Amino acid sequence: ILNVEQSPQSLHVQEGDSTNFTCSFPSSNFYALHWYRWETAKSPEALFVMTLNGDEKKKGRISATLNTKEGYSYLYIKGSQPEDSATYLCARLSGNTGKLIFGQGTTLQVKP
Amino acid sequence: SAVISQKPSRDICQRGTSLTIQCQVDSQVTMMFWYRQQPGQSLTLIATANQGSEATYESGFVIDKFPISRPNLTFSTLTVSNMSPEDSSIYLCSVEVREQGEKLFFGSGTQLSVL
Repeated sequence: ILNVEQSPQSLHVQEGDSTNFTCSFPSSNFYALHWYRWETAKSPEALFVMTLNGDEKKKGRISATLNTKEGYSYLYIKGSQPEDSATYLCARLSGNTGKLIFGQGTTLQVKP
Repeated sequence: SAVISQKPSRDICQRGTSLTIQCQVDSQVTMMFWYRQQPGQSLTLIATANQGSEATYESGFVIDKFPISRPNLTFSTLTVSNMSPEDSSIYLCSVEVREQGEKLFFGSGTQLSVL
C-alpha cells in the first residue's frame, strides 16, 4: 500500500447500530496514526493519536485499534447516535518526512 | 489546545480573481499548515508557514499560485491567485500541538467556489 486508504467511502446506519471502518497505510517508516472527526460546517477534531503496535484507545462510545506491522487501524462506534454523523479521517505520520498523509475519509450518516 | 479563527467561511469567486484566507490562532505557534480538500479527494497539504521565513510548499503547489504570509506567531494568510474552477475546494489552516501528541487543530475551513 502506497497511500492511506479508508473504507468504506460512506456508510448509512440506524441509530443504535454499532459500526466500524478501516484505515490502511504503508507500514514502513511508521511514526503515528491519527483519527479525526469532521462534522459539516465545523473544524476537524482530533479523536486519537496512536503510535504503538497493538494500541487501543477509547473515547466514550468510540474506540480505535492499531496494527503497525500489517498497516491498518479500525475505528469502532458502539450504539451510533445521529450526532455521530460526520466524516472520519485517518492520517499517517511518516517518521521520514514528519508529515501527515490523510485518507479520503469515511462519511457516516446515522438515521434516527 | 488551540482555537483558530478562519475567515471567510465561504466565498463564490469569478475566474481570474484572487481570494485571501486569514487564520488567527489564540496562542503562539511555530508552524501553521495550509490544507486543501478538493471534492472527493483527500485532505492535501499545500504548504507549511513559518514565521520569519518563506513558506515551504509541497510538490504540485507553487508560491505564485498560493502566496502565504506569516507576519507573526499567531496569524497567517493564504491567497489563492488567478483562480480557476479547479481551485474550488475547502481550504483549512491548522496548527500542531506537541504537548497533545502532535495533534492538529484546525480552523473551520473556507468553502471556495470558482465560477
